[in-house]
Amino acid sequence: QSVLTQPPSVSGAPGQRVTISCTGSSSNIGAGYDVHWYQQLPGTAPKVLIYGNSNRPSGVPDRFSGSKSGTSASLAITGLQAEDEADYYCQSYDRSLSGSVFGGGTKLTVL
Amino acid sequence: QVQLQESGPGLVKPSQTLSLTCAVSGGSITTSGGYFWTWIRQHPGKGLEWIGYIYYSGSTYYNPSLKSRVTISLDTSKNQFSLTLNSVNAADTAMYYCARVGSYWGAYDFWGQGTLVTVSS
Repeated sequence: QSVLTQPPSVSGAPGQRVTISCTGSSSNIGAGYDVHWYQQLPGTAPKVLIYGNSNRPSGVPDRFSGSKSGTSASLAITGLQAEDEADYYCQSYDRSLSGSVFGGGTKLTVL
Repeated sequence: QVQLQESGPGLVKPSQTLSLTCAVSGGSITTSGGYFWTWIRQHPGKGLEWIGYIYYSGSTYYNPSLKSRVTISLDTSKNQFSLTLNSVNAADTAMYYCARVGSYWGAYDFWGQGTLVTVSS
């Protein structure tokens, strides 16, 4: 049972837009801590996709965007491409645990 | 460019101790005002679990669910940090990653490739 809740799977056709939600609580996202998003391609380590709720590292396409409101955050992917098929994880800090917490991950399937 | 590389046994017997090392290149692990050096694991087919981190000063922070069995330490002479997990069982079978984060609320910007540890007799 992950501290942050994500849908297990989402899907979309090439070119479409999908969103992935990440729901936390008052001890993590709701406490004002930043949310970060990672993409994990099969057989590889996670790679940061969005940091600080809505910032993209250099090299990440602007098709990827993040937002945060209250105790939740969202990752949006527009113009879906086959190469976007991966697992996506959200991460924040939890003051009760005094450490990082992750969502359970969302598998994106490009139809 | 910072690079992290995990190493250690791929097979550990139940009740024994798991020991992994993360070698850091491209930067010092004791950079002033620096980083938290972290261990994260991923059970097969599952999500990510934060194990704990060590600050460049040597302060440590552990996941409460593992705290009684975990030690993370720095070896500044070798520019590496280590994970020790005692009394392992099958539930500790996982891919273990080392990673770097700039603050306790920050994003993990550099990761190792991961090392698979299987607990089995």
